[in-house]
Parts: sequence; structure tokens; C-alpha cells
Amino acid sequence: GAGVSQSPSNKVTEKGKDVELRCDPISGHTALYWYRQSLGQGLEFLIYFQGNSAPDKSGLPSDRFSAERTGGSVSTLTIQRTQQEDSAVYLCASNLDGGSYEQYFGPGTRLTVT
Amino acid sequence: QKEVEQDPGPLSVPEGAIVSLNCTYSNSAFQYFMWYRQYSRKGPELLMYTYSSGNKEDGRFTAQVDKSSKYISLFIRDSQPSDSATYLCAMQYGNKLVFGAGTILRVKS
Repeated sequence: GAGVSQSPSNKVTEKGKDVELRCDPISGHTALYWYRQSLGQGLEFLIYFQGNSAPDKSGLPSDRFSAERTGGSVSTLTIQRTQQEDSAVYLCASNLDGGSYEQYFGPGTRLTVT
Repeated sequence: QKEVEQDPGPLSVPEGAIVSLNCTYSNSAFQYFMWYRQYSRKGPELLMYTYSSGNKEDGRFTAQVDKSSKYISLFIRDSQPSDSATYLCAMQYGNKLVFGAGTILRVKS
């Protein structure tokens, strides 16, 4: 079956612009996660959705970052007024419910802020 | 200090070697302990998981957890060039996973 998909695969933007990153989870998965992977760093948790609500937003680094999920499926991560330190790979993952340890990851969106 | 420490490598070994990858952690509340494998330009995929202290074997891979020392390991026997990837340890904390920095492994043929 189809895995987690993300778009775009690559995004180059100028400092100060806003960007939107999209994630399509595996069908039927109620839990969705966003992570950020910077060069030489592990994956850094950003936000967790259960259905359309986000009970854990503790990893969002600043108020320039926001995310939403609609219809219990597609999620969008928005970064406003991008900065060079936002350059990273943004990974989305999903699983059946938030209690499961296994998360299925998409290929990521590589964001470069110039 | 990071909650999970992992040597980033790179680790370069000849084909057929035994590989040892390790992580230490500081939070005793961590539950499941996992190893993810990530190929270049791909998302991580779960390789193995364990819950309790001890060993778990799956083919050429053995995961080891020592909760008293807060130390986990992944051993790869008879390493193959196809094992070349980044290996990330991960630990479950509530609804999220906490990852190590990842170790880059290169297996030379």
C-alpha cells in the first residue's frame, strides 16, 4: 500500500518568505508527527497530532512555526518569515494511534533558506 | 547535555565485519528502545525494537539494552555493502520518539 508522502521534496526559499510543507499520512493512521533533521543532528520532534487536534506542540521552536491537520488526514507545516537556521529536512511520520512505538516516515522535504 | 548521545561516525568497515553501534541516554522514563535505518534521501525505517533489558536477535542484527547503565547497542554480523546507511537509535517518551544524532556506517566491498 501507499506509504507516507510529502511535498515538495525540495524547497528553496529566500529569507523572510513563508513556506508550506505538506504531509499525506498512511490511510487510516490517526496519529501524525512532524520532525526536523538538521545536518549532523538527529531527528528533533516538532508536533504530534491525534486526529485533527495537536495535544503536543512542545517541539515547535518558535511562533513562526505552526501546523494544522484537516479531515484527520493531510497535515501542513507552515514556517513564516523563514530564517537561514530553518534550513533542514522536515520529516513527517504516522501510525495507527499515538500509543504505538513504530512510526512510518515519509521521505522528507529538504528546505533551503538562502 | 542531550537526552540521547550517539557517536555520529562515520564508521567504515570491510564487508563481513561485525559492527557495533551504541547509544547512551539519561532519562530513565524512556520505554521502548528502537533502531531506525535511514538511507540517503529517504525517511528512517524501523529496524528493531526492544522493551526490556537483554538481547533481541533478528537475522544478522542483535539489539541489546542495559537499563541499569542506560546503554543500548546494535550489532550487525556479516556486514554487507547494502547495510551502508545512517543508523539512528530512538526511544519512546509518551507519544514522541527521542532520537540520537545517528551513526553513518559505510561497509566497503
